[in-house]
Amino acid sequence: AQKITQTQPGMFVQEKEAVTLDCTYDTSDPSYGLFWYKQPSSGEMIFLIYQGSYDQQNATEGRYSLNFQKARKSANLVISASQLGDSAMYFCAMREGDSSASKIIFGSGTRLSIRP
Amino acid sequence: DAGVIQSPRHEVTEMGQEVTLRCKPISGHDYLFWYRQTMMRGLELLIYFNNNVPIDDSGMPEDRFSAKMPNASFSTLKIQPSEPRDSAVYFCASSSPGGRGYGYTFGSGTRLTVV
Repeated sequence: AQKITQTQPGMFVQEKEAVTLDCTYDTSDPSYGLFWYKQPSSGEMIFLIYQGSYDQQNATEGRYSLNFQKARKSANLVISASQLGDSAMYFCAMREGDSSASKIIFGSGTRLSIRP
Repeated sequence: DAGVIQSPRHEVTEMGQEVTLRCKPISGHDYLFWYRQTMMRGLELLIYFNNNVPIDDSGMPEDRFSAKMPNASFSTLKIQPSEPRDSAVYFCASSSPGGRGYGYTFGSGTRLTVV
Protein backbone atom coordinates (compact mmCIF):
# COMPACT_ATOMS: atom_id res chain seq x y z
CA ALA A 1 0.00 0.00 0.00
CA GLN A 2 1.30 3.41 -0.93
CA LYS A 3 2.12 5.31 2.21
CA ILE A 4 3.13 8.65 0.76
CA THR A 5 0.91 10.28 -1.84
CA GLN A 6 1.74 13.32 -3.88
CA THR A 7 -1.19 14.00 -6.18
CA GLN A 8 0.34 16.84 -8.20
CA PRO A 9 2.71 15.48 -10.85
CA GLY A 10 3.48 19.00 -12.01
CA MET A 11 2.77 22.61 -11.12
CA PHE A 12 3.40 25.99 -12.73
CA VAL A 13 3.62 29.07 -10.54
CA GLN A 14 4.39 32.69 -11.24
CA GLU A 15 7.57 34.03 -9.69
CA LYS A 16 7.08 35.69 -6.28
CA GLU A 17 3.83 33.86 -5.65
CA ALA A 18 3.43 31.40 -2.80
CA VAL A 19 3.01 27.75 -3.69
CA THR A 20 1.68 24.75 -1.79
CA LEU A 21 2.79 21.24 -2.64
CA ASP A 22 0.47 18.54 -1.36
CA CYS A 23 1.43 15.42 0.54
CA THR A 24 -0.69 12.90 2.37
CA TYR A 25 0.60 9.92 4.28
CA ASP A 26 -0.64 6.78 5.90
CA THR A 27 0.71 5.17 9.04
CA SER A 28 -0.54 3.50 12.19
CA ASP A 29 2.61 4.28 14.12
CA PRO A 30 2.04 7.18 16.54
CA SER A 31 5.66 8.22 16.19
CA TYR A 32 6.86 9.25 12.76
CA GLY A 33 8.72 11.94 10.91
CA LEU A 34 7.93 13.77 7.72
CA PHE A 35 10.48 15.26 5.34
CA TRP A 36 10.63 17.29 2.19
CA TYR A 37 13.50 17.05 -0.26
CA LYS A 38 14.25 19.13 -3.35
CA GLN A 39 15.85 17.65 -6.45
CA PRO A 40 16.97 20.26 -8.99
CA SER A 41 17.81 19.36 -12.56
CA SER A 42 21.40 18.72 -11.51
CA GLY A 43 20.11 15.64 -9.71
CA GLU A 44 21.19 15.98 -6.11
CA MET A 45 18.73 15.46 -3.27
CA ILE A 46 18.57 18.43 -0.91
CA PHE A 47 16.94 18.22 2.51
CA LEU A 48 14.50 21.08 3.07
CA ILE A 49 12.44 20.59 6.21
CA TYR A 50 11.43 18.08 8.87
CA GLN A 51 8.31 17.66 11.02
CA GLY A 52 8.05 15.20 13.87
CA SER A 53 4.67 13.69 14.68
CA TYR A 54 4.79 15.03 18.22
CA ASP A 55 5.90 18.52 17.26
CA GLN A 56 3.31 21.03 18.42
CA GLN A 57 4.19 23.70 15.92
CA ASN A 58 4.55 23.59 12.17
CA ALA A 59 8.15 23.45 11.04
CA THR A 60 9.66 26.42 9.24
CA GLU A 61 13.00 26.85 7.48
CA GLY A 62 13.40 30.23 5.84
CA ARG A 63 10.92 30.45 2.95
CA TYR A 64 9.80 26.86 3.55
CA SER A 65 7.09 25.87 5.98
CA LEU A 66 5.31 22.60 6.52
CA ASN A 67 1.56 22.73 6.99
CA PHE A 68 1.11 19.72 9.27
CA GLN A 69 -2.48 18.55 9.76
CA LYS A 70 -2.19 15.41 11.80
CA ALA A 71 -5.86 14.42 11.82
CA ARG A 72 -5.99 14.69 8.03
CA LYS A 73 -2.60 13.01 7.67
CA SER A 74 -1.32 15.75 5.46
CA ALA A 75 2.05 17.46 5.39
CA ASN A 76 1.96 20.09 2.69
CA LEU A 77 5.04 22.14 1.83
CA VAL A 78 4.53 25.86 1.46
CA ILE A 79 7.10 27.95 -0.34
CA SER A 80 6.64 31.67 0.13
CA ALA A 81 7.73 34.23 -2.48
CA SER A 82 8.81 31.65 -5.04
CA GLN A 83 12.01 32.19 -7.00
CA LEU A 84 13.20 30.88 -10.34
CA GLY A 85 15.68 28.70 -8.49
CA ASP A 86 12.81 26.88 -6.82
CA SER A 87 12.09 25.07 -10.09
CA ALA A 88 12.79 21.42 -9.26
CA MET A 89 11.26 18.10 -8.26
CA TYR A 90 9.99 18.01 -4.70
CA PHE A 91 9.65 14.80 -2.73
CA CYS A 92 7.67 14.21 0.42
CA ALA A 93 8.99 11.41 2.61
CA MET A 94 8.15 9.65 5.86
CA ARG A 95 9.94 7.68 8.51
CA GLU A 96 7.84 5.45 10.76
CA GLY A 97 9.12 5.23 14.31
CA ASP A 98 11.48 7.57 16.11
CA SER A 99 14.69 5.71 15.59
CA SER A 100 17.35 6.35 13.06
CA ALA A 101 17.03 2.62 12.34
CA SER A 102 13.79 3.26 10.51
CA LYS A 103 13.97 3.68 6.78
CA ILE A 104 12.53 6.64 4.93
CA ILE A 105 10.04 6.09 2.11
CA PHE A 106 9.43 8.64 -0.60
CA GLY A 107 6.44 9.85 -2.57
CA SER A 108 6.41 10.04 -6.33
CA GLY A 109 7.30 13.72 -6.39
CA THR A 110 5.92 16.99 -7.78
CA ARG A 111 7.70 18.88 -10.52
CA LEU A 112 7.48 22.60 -9.77
CA SER A 113 8.16 25.12 -12.51
CA ILE A 114 8.44 28.81 -11.70
CA ARG A 115 7.51 31.23 -14.48
CA PRO A 116 9.32 34.59 -14.67
CA ASP B 1 32.57 18.27 5.86
CA ALA B 2 32.79 16.89 2.33
CA GLY B 3 29.37 15.29 2.48
CA VAL B 4 28.51 11.89 1.07
CA ILE B 5 30.82 11.09 -1.82
CA GLN B 6 29.80 8.78 -4.63
CA SER B 7 31.81 7.57 -7.56
CA PRO B 8 31.67 7.46 -10.45
CA ARG B 9 29.19 10.21 -11.31
CA HIS B 10 28.37 8.56 -14.61
CA GLU B 11 28.86 5.02 -15.76
CA VAL B 12 28.12 3.55 -19.17
CA THR B 13 28.59 -0.16 -19.54
CA GLU B 14 27.59 -2.96 -21.82
CA MET B 15 25.03 -5.55 -20.89
CA GLY B 16 26.60 -8.45 -19.06
CA GLN B 17 29.45 -6.47 -17.57
CA GLU B 18 30.06 -6.07 -13.85
CA VAL B 19 29.42 -2.63 -12.39
CA THR B 20 30.65 -1.37 -9.04
CA LEU B 21 29.33 1.80 -7.48
CA ARG B 22 31.13 3.37 -4.54
CA CYS B 23 30.13 5.47 -1.59
CA LYS B 24 31.92 7.24 1.23
CA PRO B 25 29.48 8.33 3.97
CA ILE B 26 29.86 11.34 6.21
CA SER B 27 32.33 10.64 8.98
CA GLY B 28 30.51 9.67 12.15
CA HIS B 29 27.30 8.64 10.44
CA ASP B 30 26.43 5.11 11.43
CA TYR B 31 23.68 4.43 8.90
CA LEU B 32 24.20 4.06 5.17
CA PHE B 33 21.47 3.62 2.59
CA TRP B 34 21.46 2.74 -1.10
CA TYR B 35 18.54 3.99 -3.22
CA ARG B 36 17.71 3.62 -6.89
CA GLN B 37 15.75 6.25 -8.79
CA THR B 38 13.91 5.60 -12.04
CA MET B 39 11.11 7.41 -13.81
CA MET B 40 8.83 4.40 -13.52
CA ARG B 41 9.44 3.42 -9.91
CA GLY B 42 10.66 6.60 -8.27
CA LEU B 43 13.04 6.32 -5.33
CA GLU B 44 13.41 2.77 -4.07
CA LEU B 45 15.40 1.71 -1.04
CA LEU B 46 17.66 -1.17 -1.97
CA ILE B 47 19.56 -1.89 1.23
CA TYR B 48 20.80 -0.19 4.35
CA PHE B 49 23.55 -0.75 6.89
CA ASN B 50 24.04 0.11 10.53
CA ASN B 51 27.59 0.11 11.83
CA ASN B 52 28.68 -1.68 8.65
CA VAL B 53 26.15 -4.50 9.14
CA PRO B 54 23.35 -4.98 6.57
CA ILE B 55 20.00 -4.46 8.32
CA ASP B 56 17.45 -4.71 5.53
CA ASP B 57 18.16 -5.89 1.99
CA SER B 58 14.58 -6.63 1.04
CA GLY B 59 14.70 -3.99 -1.65
CA MET B 60 17.55 -5.59 -3.57
CA PRO B 61 15.85 -6.58 -6.81
CA GLU B 62 17.75 -9.73 -7.69
CA ASP B 63 20.74 -11.85 -6.82
CA ARG B 64 22.65 -9.89 -9.44
CA PHE B 65 22.78 -7.06 -6.91
CA SER B 66 25.07 -7.18 -3.91
CA ALA B 67 26.28 -4.57 -1.43
CA LYS B 68 29.07 -4.50 1.09
CA MET B 69 30.35 -2.17 3.74
CA PRO B 70 33.80 -3.39 4.78
CA ASN B 71 34.37 -0.41 7.07
CA ALA B 72 32.68 2.72 8.38
CA SER B 73 33.96 4.89 5.56
CA PHE B 74 33.25 2.84 2.46
CA SER B 75 30.46 0.92 0.79
CA THR B 76 29.99 -0.67 -2.62
CA LEU B 77 26.99 -1.69 -4.65
CA LYS B 78 27.76 -4.27 -7.29
CA ILE B 79 25.67 -5.46 -10.21
CA GLN B 80 26.82 -8.62 -11.95
CA PRO B 81 25.85 -9.17 -14.70
CA SER B 82 24.31 -5.82 -15.57
CA GLU B 83 21.19 -5.51 -17.72
CA PRO B 84 19.64 -2.54 -19.56
CA ARG B 85 16.78 -2.40 -17.02
CA ASP B 86 19.35 -1.60 -14.32
CA SER B 87 19.83 1.82 -15.93
CA ALA B 88 18.97 4.36 -13.22
CA VAL B 89 20.44 6.88 -10.84
CA TYR B 90 21.82 5.20 -7.73
CA PHE B 91 22.01 7.28 -4.58
CA CYS B 92 23.90 6.62 -1.42
CA ALA B 93 22.80 8.41 1.76
CA SER B 94 23.99 8.43 5.34
CA SER B 95 22.49 9.50 8.64
CA SER B 96 23.13 9.60 12.33
CA PRO B 97 20.94 10.07 15.41
CA GLY B 98 22.35 13.56 15.73
CA GLY B 99 20.81 14.72 12.46
CA ARG B 100 17.59 16.68 12.18
CA GLY B 101 14.88 14.09 12.54
CA TYR B 102 17.48 11.53 11.55
CA GLY B 103 17.16 12.81 8.01
CA TYR B 104 19.47 11.61 5.32
CA THR B 105 22.30 13.38 3.61
CA PHE B 106 22.44 12.19 0.03
CA GLY B 107 25.39 11.86 -2.27
CA SER B 108 25.27 13.31 -5.76
CA GLY B 109 24.29 9.98 -7.27
CA THR B 110 25.71 7.72 -9.95
CA ARG B 111 23.90 7.72 -13.27
CA LEU B 112 24.21 4.20 -14.66
CA THR B 113 23.46 3.42 -18.27
CA VAL B 114 23.59 -0.17 -19.42
CA VAL B 115 23.54 -0.57 -23.21
